[in-house]
Amino acid sequence: EAQVTQNPRYLITVTGKKLTVTCSQNMNHEYMSWYRQDPGLGLRQIYYSMNVEVTDKGDVPEGYKVSRKEKRNFPLILESPSPNQTSLYFCASSATAMNTEAFFGQGTRLTVV
Amino acid sequence: RKEVEQDPGPFNVPEGATVAFNCTYSNSASQSFFWYRQDCRKEPKLLMSVYSSGNEDGRFTAQLNRASQYISLLIRDSKLSDSATYLCVVNGGSNYQLIWGAGTKLIIKP
Repeated sequence: EAQVTQNPRYLITVTGKKLTVTCSQNMNHEYMSWYRQDPGLGLRQIYYSMNVEVTDKGDVPEGYKVSRKEKRNFPLILESPSPNQTSLYFCASSATAMNTEAFFGQGTRLTVV
Repeated sequence: RKEVEQDPGPFNVPEGATVAFNCTYSNSASQSFFWYRQDCRKEPKLLMSVYSSGNEDGRFTAQLNRASQYISLLIRDSKLSDSATYLCVVNGGSNYQLIWGAGTKLIIKP
């Protein structure tokens, strides 16, 4: 089954404790991205990757890191989480950057206290 | 001005009615347009792409007005299961980013 898998689904952590949210897709997609979704603001792109070893900042990259060492995986790293990073996070992948359907993971609800 | 704007709603509509909502975008160079559906606390899923000539998929019709820079979604004979948030998405510019609207919440009532 074609899918994007994110883990964990829910996470409560404390300020400053490094965490990683994993994302994996099994569709051999080139393009992957991370979004955060906050009430009234819609989906905002954090980082995206056009292919292996090619990543770039989205609209809200501060406080986040990513890597793309393999085509299928695109982890999101919060080196020192802060309460303003409390949000719902989605990983998405698509075959190419343009004109193609984006498939989303089920989301990670992160709370930083 | 936001790059992609939607009326947040909620639109409260009786079952069987027709409902329409619009989405405006600011980048005239935008090339691709989509409607996604998002159920509460779940991931967005593609509802339909929007083509220049307009397109229909069952009870759903999407249209693009490039001159006025908006896209629309029309739902006919609405069902209870249509209750969701509808996200407008525009792709354009040199970095291929998808720009998402904040969504329009639709509630279909029996």
